[in-house]
Amino acid sequence: DIVMTQTPSSQAVSAGEKVTMSCKSSQSLLYSENKKNYLAWYQQKPGQSPKLLISWASTRESGVPDRFIGSGSGTDFTLTISSVQAEDLAVYYCEQYYDTPPTFGGGTKLELK
Amino acid sequence: QVTLKESGPGILQPSQTLSLTCTFSGFSLSTYGMGVGWIRQPSGKGLEWLANIWWDDDKYYNPSLKNRLTISKDTSNNQAFLKITNVDTADTATYYCARIDHGARDYWGQGVMVTVSS
Repeated sequence: DIVMTQTPSSQAVSAGEKVTMSCKSSQSLLYSENKKNYLAWYQQKPGQSPKLLISWASTRESGVPDRFIGSGSGTDFTLTISSVQAEDLAVYYCEQYYDTPPTFGGGTKLELK
Repeated sequence: QVTLKESGPGILQPSQTLSLTCTFSGFSLSTYGMGVGWIRQPSGKGLEWLANIWWDDDKYYNPSLKNRLTISKDTSNNQAFLKITNVDTADTATYYCARIDHGARDYWGQGVMVTVSS
């Protein structure tokens, strides 16, 4: 199974701050035939179901604010929030869908400083 | 508009079989590339993938639970199902179904809480 490792596990932030979080996979998620990375980022707010923010490592879903930026390739990926807002306080998960079983990282929890 | 909604028994006893239903609208599970997956989340913990079923009836299971899981679909009624046999307290969680459209899980249900307790 591909192991997904997210760091940090939690991060205290202030509104307006730039935030980066990491997701590393134990195997490359880059499919050579289509040059796509099979990596998604989800946001889960308390009491809610996860919401897809970014697919294919860097493609923002419709309606997702442009302050959310996904980057990376191969085994190293990053989710950046360019200017954190209060409504961004949540747990963020990465998931690889390159191989079965699909696997999730342990999550990064954004908390208020 | 795509929506999914999970339903289940709420509470059941150890060794029983858990039956979950995902009722969806706004897409068809007979469309090429479409799938529905089940994911669970114990309270305060992370996400665990359970199973996927695809438009062509291909099915994939979490190897750690494979012998206990059965996923199926009723395309005509826009439903997907998951059965987990021989449940234990470790199966207590919120269970989600989610649509997969050629890639990531782009729509999720609200989740259904399941408690296993004697």
